[in-house]
Amino acid sequence: DAEITQSPRHKITETGRQVTLACHQTWNHNNMFWYRQDLGHGLRLIHYSYGVQDTNKGEVSDGYSVSRSNTEDLPLTLESAASSQTSVYFCASSDGSGNSPLHFGNGTRLTVT
Amino acid sequence: GENVEQHPSTLSVQEGDSAVIKCTYSDSASNYFPWYKQELGKGPQLIIDIRSNVGEKKDQRIAVTLNKTAKHFSLHITETQPEDSAVYFCAARSGTALIFGKGTTLSVSS
Repeated sequence: DAEITQSPRHKITETGRQVTLACHQTWNHNNMFWYRQDLGHGLRLIHYSYGVQDTNKGEVSDGYSVSRSNTEDLPLTLESAASSQTSVYFCASSDGSGNSPLHFGNGTRLTVT
Repeated sequence: GENVEQHPSTLSVQEGDSAVIKCTYSDSASNYFPWYKQELGKGPQLIIDIRSNVGEKKDQRIAVTLNKTAKHFSLHITETQPEDSAVYFCAARSGTALIFGKGTTLSVSS
């Protein structure tokens, strides 16, 4: 069955370090998204991609970057981790045809100490 | 950009009762409104969606209504069961990206 997987499931890092969260989907979807989930804020869009070599900023993109070198992967990089980036991160994908649903991964819980 | 407000933030009901969650959106161009259910330790999963050319959609115990004039939509769960306990998110599509509400924690007690 097609799926979307995130790794690692849990990560602890120190302030100032660079961190990369992985997202891999086997749906062959064109669209991929990164959200962060925080209490009181729900799901907020960080970055998204409509296809290979395409990336776009979401509502909370500062301090994050993404790259899309193939269809299956959209890694999220925190250039210099800050305590404010402690959160649960979700990757999602959709096939981009009209109002197609999002398929979410199970999340990565990141703690920045 | 799009802004989605969701109420209430928490909702407690007895098993068998109905539950209603309401959302409003700001962008009149939004035309797709899905609802997601998130269980503990998992990613959100789509449970029902509605498009702007439809006023109501039903799937077994779950229904969604949409009022485009007032820019609000609602999720209705009838005959609630303990397994309905979860966090529910509404969303509206602005362009291609989905903008989510802040979520409602539903607790169904038996």
